[in-house]
Amino acid sequence: AQKITQTQPGMFVQEKEAVTLDCTYDTSDPSYGLFWYKQPSSGEMIFLIYQGSYDQQNATEGRYSLNFQKARKSANLVISASQLGDSAMYFCAMREGTGGGADGLTFGKGTHLIIQP
Amino acid sequence: DAGVTQSPTHLIKTRGQQVTLRCSPKSGHDTVSWYQQALGQGPQFIFQYYEEEERQRGNFPDRFSGHQFPNYSSELNVNALLLGDSALYLCASSLTGGPDNEQFFGPGTRLTVL
Repeated sequence: AQKITQTQPGMFVQEKEAVTLDCTYDTSDPSYGLFWYKQPSSGEMIFLIYQGSYDQQNATEGRYSLNFQKARKSANLVISASQLGDSAMYFCAMREGTGGGADGLTFGKGTHLIIQP
Repeated sequence: DAGVTQSPTHLIKTRGQQVTLRCSPKSGHDTVSWYQQALGQGPQFIFQYYEEEERQRGNFPDRFSGHQFPNYSSELNVNALLLGDSALYLCASSLTGGPDNEQFFGPGTRLTVL
């Protein structure tokens, strides 16, 4: 079974609108972390936001927020007031276990987001 | 504060050859992970190095090997290259025992096998 599922291969969004990128995950480990990365065409993976499995509050970083629904095993990324520079591939990833750098990440297949003027 | 650096940026090899990719972690980080990202796919975990030893490995054949040096930098070696090894190779650094959210990536090395 897929550990990370991103069901939207591509999305077109009008500039200044909010956008939600879906991510569901599968793990039996009670301790895990969820990451979102942005990958522009240059290839570098840019860290956006992180949610730990024991975090009580949904993570926020500027225009990015993570809608964490633990019972549903979903961790959707919300980008408010989208900008043309947000056009890129977006990846959801999971670390299982105790973390602190100890585990490799499992990535989804990504969502290609295109912001239209 | 230098981030994660990788060299070379691009590389072209032929089938059967061997290749070495290099990564320097972010200052203060001691753990290096390597990922392979085929075109149109998400990155796949190859292995991770900590204290100069391979600590964790993904589902990759032993043609893929690595090394970590005392200064925490790392190399990824791929022997007997196949066409399917063409990909973007990403290095990520982190601090074992450090913040859970720190997994920073370098710009990648794009390998083309002809």
